[in-house]
Amino acid sequence: EAGVTQSPTHLIKTRGQQVTLRCSPISGHTSVYWYQQALGLGLQFLLWYDEGEERNRGNFPPRFSGRQFPNYSSELNVNALELEDSALYLCASSFQGEETQYFGPGTRLLVL
Amino acid sequence: SQELEQSPQSLIVQEGKNLTINCTSSKTLYGLYWYKQKYGEGLIFLMMLQKGGEEKSHEKITAKLDEKKQQSSLHITASQPSHAGIYLCGAEGKSGAGSYQLTFGKGTKLSVIP
Repeated sequence: EAGVTQSPTHLIKTRGQQVTLRCSPISGHTSVYWYQQALGLGLQFLLWYDEGEERNRGNFPPRFSGRQFPNYSSELNVNALELEDSALYLCASSFQGEETQYFGPGTRLLVL
Repeated sequence: SQELEQSPQSLIVQEGKNLTINCTSSKTLYGLYWYKQKYGEGLIFLMMLQKGGEEKSHEKITAKLDEKKQQSSLHITASQPSHAGIYLCGAEGKSGAGSYQLTFGKGTKLSVIP
């Protein structure tokens, strides 16, 4: 069974640009979580989607947004990129109502 | 690749009791993170350890990284129902190709009985 997949693996952008990251959950999982890990810091919770709806949001500005599609895959969009947005972005999925999350390999974003 | 083994997989304790969760790495740890996972809230960052022998505390939770930097423990003193959840350790390391790698343990599910 395929695990959580993310694309792209690496990305380089400049300040002010916009970026879209993609995540495909494990088959059967309806929940998708997004996290940011900046260098030297722990994971910071960004967004939680379940059944196509945004269920919870971390302490991030509105320029961080996303959506979940009918097939439960998800996108994370970041507008007006800033240098401090450089980080590893992780996606995780889980069955609805279950706590155990399965993580993807992440997308490493560098903002110059 | 680096692997993290957590023990125990699950734990049920009476409120007020102390408990310890362990995280053992197959390779030297460059950065070890402890998280608490709650449904709908994602992973909550607890602590990060980097130096061998380092110990950090936050409220009733203490985490240690051993001198050889291959094992960490998370100790909760006088557990409360609010401590219940899944605890994950995460580690930074380097893959065989030398690239950065982030790995997680499978988690320890803690239940605290009032």
